[in-house]
This record gives sequence, structure tokens and C-alpha cells, in this order.
Amino acid sequence: AQSVTQLDSHVSVSEGTPVLLRCNYSSSYSPSLFWYVQHPNKGLQLLLKYTSAATLVKGINGFEAEFKKSETSFHLTKPSAHMSDAAEYFCVVSELDRGSTLGRLYFGRGTQLTVWP
Amino acid sequence: KAGVTQTPRYLIKTRGQQVTLSCSPISGHRSVSWYQQTPGQGLQFLFEYFSETQRNKGNFPGRFSGRQFSNSRSEMNVSTLELGDSALYLCASSLEGRGFHEQFFGPGTRLTVL
Repeated sequence: AQSVTQLDSHVSVSEGTPVLLRCNYSSSYSPSLFWYVQHPNKGLQLLLKYTSAATLVKGINGFEAEFKKSETSFHLTKPSAHMSDAAEYFCVVSELDRGSTLGRLYFGRGTQLTVWP
Repeated sequence: KAGVTQTPRYLIKTRGQQVTLSCSPISGHRSVSWYQQTPGQGLQFLFEYFSETQRNKGNFPGRFSGRQFSNSRSEMNVSTLELGDSALYLCASSLEGRGFHEQFFGPGTRLTVL
């Protein structure tokens, strides 16, 4: 079975400090992993994706994530937060090509990131 | 390339009515998935269509249905609306819906049921 656990529902940081959003997953098969961001009243935007290539994945806006199979984790980081990073972030898992999973993403509950000036 | 579009953006309905939401995928994308987003349940998968066929379905009652047309545009329908159907409905398109294909999301349709 597939599931995603985002360990923090809210994270607050000061502008210019590092960001860490934690995600653990479970998957019966080799997963693809994604981080999406959702700004207020907007749709979901892909930040980055892991699909069994390099374990350290770089995304847009300075974000990156590291796939650690032994820890079943896919934490999202950014060295220096910006005010515009304030949004909700979703860790997402997808599996490869089984009939029951085609076109289906499994979402974590989301982490709301607040950035203080 | 134009993104995923959804119409209408906002809807207000009353209990018992039915509603149809529309989604136009990115050109060339053949897979369209639908999700319901609520504060209580988060993002939940409704169903996925590929080449006019429903390939996958989430755990929603039969009041929720959908279809896909030959141009890959998709509609979802909710009949006999309930208060709990109030949500943001998101549509996403991808090339073929395979696990490594990223999904591109539309802005959503905000449905309010009174």
C-alpha cells in the first residue's frame, strides 16, 4: 500500500534561514516522488520530482530534496527562505504502471510554511 | 503551451442539485485525473481517464462520475449534491498517466453547496 506522511503540519521560519519540510513514504513498489506547492487560491505547482535517477533532486526556486531509500524519506530543503516561499507544500508518491495506480497520485496532508520578515 | 484550464472557477449550488465541471488538458496530454481537496480530508483521488476510458477510480460514491472526449477534454458530474461535497475540485493532466509522468494541475473549481 502507498502512503505519505508529512511530519509537520506547520513550519515557521525567518526570512533568510533554512527550510526543512519532512516527508516519509511507504510504497510496495519503486515509487516516483514529487513535491508540489500550492499558493493561496492557486493550483498545484510542481517543485521537483524523483524518478529513480539521482537521489539528490534539484527543483525550482532553490528547493531540493534527497531520496533516502533506507529511511523511506524525501525531505524538502532550501538554504535560505524568502517571503514568497510562504505556501502549502505537498509530498506526493506515485507508482509505476500498475493498473490500480495509473494516473493516481497519493498526497500527504500538507505542510503550511510561514516565513517571517 | 497553454496550461490546464478548468471551468467554471466558482460555483454555488444547493443540496439535491447536480453540477458539471469541465477540464481542458495541456495539448498532447491524454491522461486526465480529478481530485477533491477539502480541509478535513486533504487531496483525494476521484478518477482518471485515458483515451475516453476510465482506467482508475478512487473511493467515492456513484454520485461522482466523469467522462472524457476524443479531444481529451474531461468533465466530471456530481449528482444529488450534499453539503459535504463543498470542496476545491482539481483536474490534472499528464502525457499518459504513468508513475514517472508529472501531472500538471489546473487552478481548480471551487464548489460551494448550500
